[in-house]
Amino acid sequence: EIVLTQSPGTLSLSPGERATLSCRASQSVTNNYLAWYQQKPGQAPRLLIYGASSRATGIPDRFSGSGSGTDFTLTISRLEPEDFAVYYCQQYGSSPYIFGQGTKLEIK
Amino acid sequence: EVQLVESGGGLVKPGGSLRLSCAVSGFIFSSYTINWVRQAPGKGLEWVSSISSGSSYIYYADSVKGRFTISRDNARNSLVLQMNSLRAEDTAVYFCARAFRGFDSWGQGTLVTVSS
Repeated sequence: EIVLTQSPGTLSLSPGERATLSCRASQSVTNNYLAWYQQKPGQAPRLLIYGASSRATGIPDRFSGSGSGTDFTLTISRLEPEDFAVYYCQQYGSSPYIFGQGTKLEIK
Repeated sequence: EVQLVESGGGLVKPGGSLRLSCAVSGFIFSSYTINWVRQAPGKGLEWVSSISSGSSYIYYADSVKGRFTISRDNARNSLVLQMNSLRAEDTAVYFCARAFRGFDSWGQGTLVTVSS
């Protein structure tokens, strides 16, 4: 079973800054089927990135994903106030479809 | 518009049972794998179960295997999660989510509380 480790646990930044979130897998993710989600309090998660680097429908281009194999990164180029939330990575290449433990992006 | 709506949550005693439903609209239900994902209060996301479009492939997390059963009725556009032998650690918001390039569409969730 793949384990996904996200870092950092909490990231404190200001609007306009660049955010870099990491997701490391304990073994290679099948076909790079790695997704990123954003979740705000009281809401369902929202898909941001699939296939490690493809933006989901309607996602602004300030969000980008990169990486392959075991190391993946979500980058938010310039933070907007609405971007402060919790971010999860997930591998969906093979069951169990594990999520990382999350990175909380908070306003500095 | 793609919509998924969960129902059936509530308060149940340890050892009890609960049946969650997920009603969908806005897409061809029979063409998609659907998943259940849960989130304990203040915690992260945990994938629970998955059922393929024709019910041929069914998977469970180890934490629920043997206690939960996922099923679907494509004629009625509905998905069910039957939860038996519930434990306190099953307390969570349960989401159903469509699998398409990741989990691209989610319901708003239904809260299950297991407590005496």
